[in-house]
Amino acid sequence: GIQVEQSPPDLILQEGANSTLRCNFSDSVNNLQWFHQNPWGQLINLFYIPSGTKQNGRLSATTVATERYSLLYISSSQTTDSGVYFCAVSSNDYKLSFGAGTTVTVRA
Amino acid sequence: NAGVTQTPKFQVLKTGQSMTLQCAQDMNHNSMYWYRQDPGMGLRLIYYSASEGTTDKGEVPNGYNVSRLNKREFSLRLESAAPSQTSVYFCASSEGYRGEAFFGQGTRLTVV
Repeated sequence: GIQVEQSPPDLILQEGANSTLRCNFSDSVNNLQWFHQNPWGQLINLFYIPSGTKQNGRLSATTVATERYSLLYISSSQTTDSGVYFCAVSSNDYKLSFGAGTTVTVRA
Repeated sequence: NAGVTQTPKFQVLKTGQSMTLQCAQDMNHNSMYWYRQDPGMGLRLIYYSASEGTTDKGEVPNGYNVSRLNKREFSLRLESAAPSQTSVYFCASSEGYRGEAFFGQGTRLTVV
């Protein structure tokens, strides 16, 4: 199956800082999503972005499908941004494969 | 519009007991999924249903059975629970494999 690698595994930020999370994948994809898992365990949809660039408030994402990576940008981080960020991909099937996640801690 | 709803939210089972996790979606999606999440890991696919009337194995199907009851509902059954099945279980739905997947709030299952 398709392999998904996320980096860095852990990230500690001071409130107000900017950061970039990376997702590399091993094959061409037609589905790529970014999720935020909050401290209560809920999975929140951030972006559906198999290609191109999208922005939603302080968050933005870019997927370069030809080079098999996606980036998630967090600007002006807030304590509520803490949690685990997952990248998930699939390639012409129903098997959405998840990376191991990036754990983000934002300190006040 | 509740999205994807799972019941129960928490469950403790003894080894060898059986139980069924329920999932319902109100987004009129064709495809539904069951995942498990173990500590420090991403989610792994157990079973999926591409459309009503079909089910297929995912990455970790052993020890589980599923039923696609109708378009809205997809249940996961543990026939004889084992401690290795202690996990958080998530149900999801999407409009086909290219569609954006939406997840339920999860069921935290402990097998003792």
